[in-house]
Amino acid sequence: QKEVEQNSGPLSVPEGAIASLNCTYSDRGSQSFFWYRQYSGKSPELIMFIYSNGDKEDGRFTAQLNKASQYVSLLIRDSQPSDSATYLCAVPGGDSNYQLIWGAGTKLIIKP
Amino acid sequence: EAGVTQSPTHLIKTRGQQATLRCSPISGHTSVYWYQQALGLGLQFLLWYDEGEERNRGNFPPRFSGRQFPNYSSELNVNALELEDSALYLCASSGNGGADTQYFGPGTRLTVL
Repeated sequence: QKEVEQNSGPLSVPEGAIASLNCTYSDRGSQSFFWYRQYSGKSPELIMFIYSNGDKEDGRFTAQLNKASQYVSLLIRDSQPSDSATYLCAVPGGDSNYQLIWGAGTKLIIKP
Repeated sequence: EAGVTQSPTHLIKTRGQQATLRCSPISGHTSVYWYQQALGLGLQFLLWYDEGEERNRGNFPPRFSGRQFPNYSSELNVNALELEDSALYLCASSGNGGADTQYFGPGTRLTVL
């Protein structure tokens, strides 16, 4: 069974600092990686996705892949209180039915 | 362009009743996924439909069932409701198979009394 693992947190970061979230995956052949943000009581929304060929930056968000150690990171620069949410990682996997496998999410708290 | 829509927003049922939840995917998307999210917990995969067929099913009892219609909208049915079925039920759609980006609807909050 392919797995995606995240530290449940909460991860507490002071406002203005860099928040670093990690996600480990078991399928060495994974080619794409997704990060979603979920506010309490709301549905997940896509932040960004990257392919196995490189990192990606979008505004204050950067996704980085470490293929050797099989983890993907999400860095949030200049963290704001509005970044406080649960961050979900998803990686395609599965044997006969290839679909997104979801991590349990990391709760991030940005302290003013 | 309209996103994924779900109805109803809230649903209150009593134990033993049946619940029907509905989802309309983004126009052009053929895959629909259903997830259950109990309070404070992660996403639990329920069902995946694509082109009208059930492609995969999560580790849930048979009283959780669904279908996808020719217009790609979908329905989730939960029979013989139990208290622990109380959760946020999320529908997502994607346009290019199981490994593609999923876009979520706002969810249906089911409360079983």
